Formats: sequence, structure tokens, C-alpha cells
Amino acid sequence: DSGVTQTPKHLITATGQRVTLRCSPRSGDLSVYWYQQSLDQGLQFLIQYYNGEERAKGNILERFSAQQFPDLHSELNLSSLELGDSALYFCASSPRWDRPEAFFGQGTRLTVV
Amino acid sequence: DAKTTQPPSMDCAEGRAANLPCNHSTISGNEYVYWYRQIHSQGPQYIIHGLKNNETNEMASLIITEDRKSSTLILPHATLRDTAVYYCIVPRGGSQGNLIFGKGTKLSVKP
Repeated sequence: DSGVTQTPKHLITATGQRVTLRCSPRSGDLSVYWYQQSLDQGLQFLIQYYNGEERAKGNILERFSAQQFPDLHSELNLSSLELGDSALYFCASSPRWDRPEAFFGQGTRLTVV
Repeated sequence: DAKTTQPPSMDCAEGRAANLPCNHSTISGNEYVYWYRQIHSQGPQYIIHGLKNNETNEMASLIITEDRKSSTLILPHATLRDTAVYYCIVPRGGSQGNLIFGKGTKLSVKP
């Protein structure tokens, strides 16, 4: 158990819908990362937050957004969903923004039908 | 991230040492080498990291060459549960928080 909790574990939704994925980092970790893993793309870095502020942005679509709350949990919002958004979404956390000894959750499997 | 090159796949006999190589010839002086692994569809797992000196923990050893242009992750006694994709990552300077995963090495441990 990495100490990072992601909910829900599985999510099935229709095209055009909006979903929210939730991540609770390890106790004391200030940095949260989001990754997308689809079958043909490997692990893609989406975005990083550190202590509530956006720290780095990767290949995140405009239809996607994230935030980190004062209690340090994070949410990834995916809107106008398309079939191609079906993937595993991982959250990770680490104590510092610049030293990525990161611990990953078990992921949310999103299926868009 | 500094570009890394890993073999796409490797086999290892159970109980033997698994030596996974990684080339990172463009690494800068203050950039660390990180190793992660991902067992099928599970979240990636941090293994070890290093800067210059060799490092060892309960999971593995990391050997970094003196010129820092390559490294080797060693699993001393591989088990079937070590079958996974292993990623060597060098986060780029100035954005060292970002882990950019490449294709990694698929390690298959065989009985």
C-alpha cells in the first residue's frame, strides 16, 4: 500500500459527460501528480501541483483540469469525454516538488462508452 | 527529461541477479537518475535513485558510472514477482519534480 488513495477505482460513463477523479496523497506529501495511461500511449504526465499551486503542466487537454485543495487532496476533472479518453488515470504524491520520489495510487480506470 | 535509452526487453532466471542497463549520456551534473517499475496495470512503484555514488536499498542496487552517462539497476535475486516494466528516468534540471516515463524495459523473470 503506497498510502495514496484514488477514488473511484472504476468509472464507466458516456461520451460528452463530465467526471471527477479524486486523489488523497500520503500524509505529509505536498506535491501531487496526475498521469494518464492508455494502451497505446504509455504513461503520460498531465499536471503537477505543489501545496495548492500548479507547478508543472504536461500533455493535459484543455477539456481536463485539476486542482489541489487546502487539505492537499486533489481532483482531476475531465469534461466533454471522448472514447479516446478511456484510460487508467494515476495520481502520485511526493514530499517535495523537486525530488520525485513519488508514490503512486492504484489508479482509476475510466471507460467512456 | 534527459534522454534515456533502455533495451525494450530482458529475460532473467528466477533466483539470479537481474541487471538492467540505462544510457543517459546527456545527463547534467545536478540531475538525478530515478528507477521505477510498473507491474501490469498497477501504479508505478519507486525503486531507487542516485546522483553520483552507488546506492542500495532493500529492493535494489543502483550502479552509476563515473562519467554518469550510464547506470545499471541490479535486482540481486529476482523472483517471479519482479516481472514488470522498469523505467529509468532523469528528470530535467529546473523541473526535477516531473517524471517523464519512456517505454522502459520489460523484464520477464522465468522459473
